[in-house]
Amino acid sequence: DAKTTQPPSMDCAEGRAANLPCNHSTISGNEYVYWYRQIHSQGPQYIIHGLKNNETNEMASLIITEDRKSSTLILPHATLRDTAVYYCIVRGSMDSSYKLIFGSGTRLLVRP
Amino acid sequence: DSGVTQTPKHLITATGQRVTLRCSPRSGDLSVYWYQQSLDQGLQFLIQYYNGEERAKGNILERFSAQQFPDLHSELNLSSLELGDSALYFCASSDRGSHTDTQYFGPGTRLTVL
Repeated sequence: DAKTTQPPSMDCAEGRAANLPCNHSTISGNEYVYWYRQIHSQGPQYIIHGLKNNETNEMASLIITEDRKSSTLILPHATLRDTAVYYCIVRGSMDSSYKLIFGSGTRLLVRP
Repeated sequence: DSGVTQTPKHLITATGQRVTLRCSPRSGDLSVYWYQQSLDQGLQFLIQYYNGEERAKGNILERFSAQQFPDLHSELNLSSLELGDSALYFCASSDRGSHTDTQYFGPGTRLTVL
């Protein structure tokens, strides 16, 4: 599975958009980009995933560059409850377990 | 609420003891995954079951074992506990266990070994 690189921390003001970047320059054609977040010590929460097209759901938007080497998770109107560690995970079928490999993530702080 | 349940929420025990953590997957999900999150290692995959059969192992110690029962709930057994086993243990489930499945996580069990 491809490795991902994320900034260790970011902050944004409440009500503004939070744009979280992720680099995955070694991604291969059949690998998906997944985003999860973990609020304090709760279980990781699924946010969104995509293969090559941009995706949007009720929580966020995922923008994947045309070469698929990077992506951005967008929380359109961040709230204090969005303060969490955000994990960008590239996931493919190189082994049979289809496990999620979590890196260090980005710690997002939403300021009042 | 992901629909995945885990019990107990907290567990405090002594070194050398054995404990069992329980996970009930979301309704309809056939695959269960176990992860460990310790302060120095981050979230690490331990093991995956699919419809009662072990599918893959990660960095799971020999002192740890798991199984998935016919009703699809899973148990993680940790024996000869050491201080370093203190961690959060998460269970996740997905419907088919394939790489296109989304895994949904439970709230975790916090294990403290004294």
